[in-house]
Amino acid sequence: DTGVSQNPRHKITKRGQNVTFRCDPISEHNRLYWYRQTLGQGPEFLTYFQNEAQLEKSRLLSDRFSAERPKGSFSTLEIQRTEQGDSAMYLCASSFSTSDTQYFGPGTRLTVL
Amino acid sequence: AQKITQTQPGMFVQEKEAVTLDCTYDTSDQSYGLFWYKQPSSGEMIFLIYQGSYDEQNATEGRYSLNFQKARKSTNLVISASQLGDSAMYFCAMREGQGRGKLIFGQGTELSVKP
Repeated sequence: DTGVSQNPRHKITKRGQNVTFRCDPISEHNRLYWYRQTLGQGPEFLTYFQNEAQLEKSRLLSDRFSAERPKGSFSTLEIQRTEQGDSAMYLCASSFSTSDTQYFGPGTRLTVL
Repeated sequence: AQKITQTQPGMFVQEKEAVTLDCTYDTSDQSYGLFWYKQPSSGEMIFLIYQGSYDEQNATEGRYSLNFQKARKSTNLVISASQLGDSAMYFCAMREGQGRGKLIFGQGTELSVKP
């Protein structure tokens, strides 16, 4: 399968714990994006990378959130001290920098108890 | 103000008929891109079709086509010959400006195809 992959697919955690999600983009794509989607809403942009550089961050990305793409390939999104409001689907997408079209992975569903 | 507005929370269509899903957008940029994605109950966002702001012809992709009216800032998705597998959430999205990555999504329309 050469699509975008995300792990884990589901994560249940207790409030206050840290969680980390991983995204592997389509191998030729140099851009990688993170979005968050809550129930009944469209995805909201969090951040994106071109190669290893983080080019834009949303104000939604509080101090508890950090994303990395150290070698310009896979990316991780870490949430520290999780809160119940962090419960959502976290979507990753990738694209070429020369193309507008973003291809999404299956998402990681986070539930914070 | 909402950047992307989808005014139809839910739509029903009979199998084999055509359906139009509405989307209006708000931007002051001259260069922008408009997208439609499908999200089945499994959760994955599936890219359907793209229209660039400078494209003079309406985009088409198989059974999907766009009715792009730039002056009215609308980009409605037309699905022809609906199939049961078309039942899903449909999201309209916009990329503002040239070379930027961020997509702004609407709230979606839930389409149900009846047999």
